[in-house]
Amino acid sequence: QVQLQESGPGLVKPSETLSLTCTVSGGSISSYYWSWIRQPPGKGLEWIAHIYYTGSTNYNPSLKSRVTISVDTSKNQFSLRLTSVTAADTAVYYCARRHYDGKLGWFDPWGQGTLVTVSS
Amino acid sequence: QLVLTQSPSASASLGASVKLTCTLSSGHSSYAIAWHQQQTENGPRYLMKVNSDGSHIKGDGIPDRFSGSSSGAERYLTISSLQSEDEADYYCQTWGTGIHVFGGGTKLTVL
Repeated sequence: QVQLQESGPGLVKPSETLSLTCTVSGGSISSYYWSWIRQPPGKGLEWIAHIYYTGSTNYNPSLKSRVTISVDTSKNQFSLRLTSVTAADTAVYYCARRHYDGKLGWFDPWGQGTLVTVSS
Repeated sequence: QLVLTQSPSASASLGASVKLTCTLSSGHSSYAIAWHQQQTENGPRYLMKVNSDGSHIKGDGIPDRFSGSSSGAERYLTISSLQSEDEADYYCQTWGTGIHVFGGGTKLTVL
């Protein structure tokens, strides 16, 4: 069964760039969409972006100017870059496989998440 | 604007049933939604998707105690024979106009 694992620095300084990678195991990254979602401490979930294995992307308009999502099919990985971070970007970041049936997109499975703290 | 509204909290006794509600904003009553469960300190787990006609398709390994239904703009998650491990946050989620939207989540307490 497909499993996802987030990796990257747990601490990022304000104004710098947050970079995370999600490694997909137990299945191919091809033929699916892949997403990043975050959750500030004690708060709800916020979708960030998703990417098709071909490289086609969709971004949350509220973050679009600062976010880049990319995919590396040779490594079965996809990545997130978030520039000019502030304390408001402190959150647990999840990667997930996105499914789409023509009407609804949903996430399954999810990674376990990685906490990224923005602080000097 | 596409918005999902959930009650912040719910509670029910061990062995009882509980019905959680997710309400779609005006003009979006035909949308399907997905339910996700987040147990403390864990990543979310997909439970099921619920269509506007009340049909639902569960994720792999989701117990029969979990079911979905619909009425108008409301989408429901019913959990029967509540167990202690059902105590968790439950989020509804949908997709529309190029963006994924999550409800604020319902914290379920099993008494």
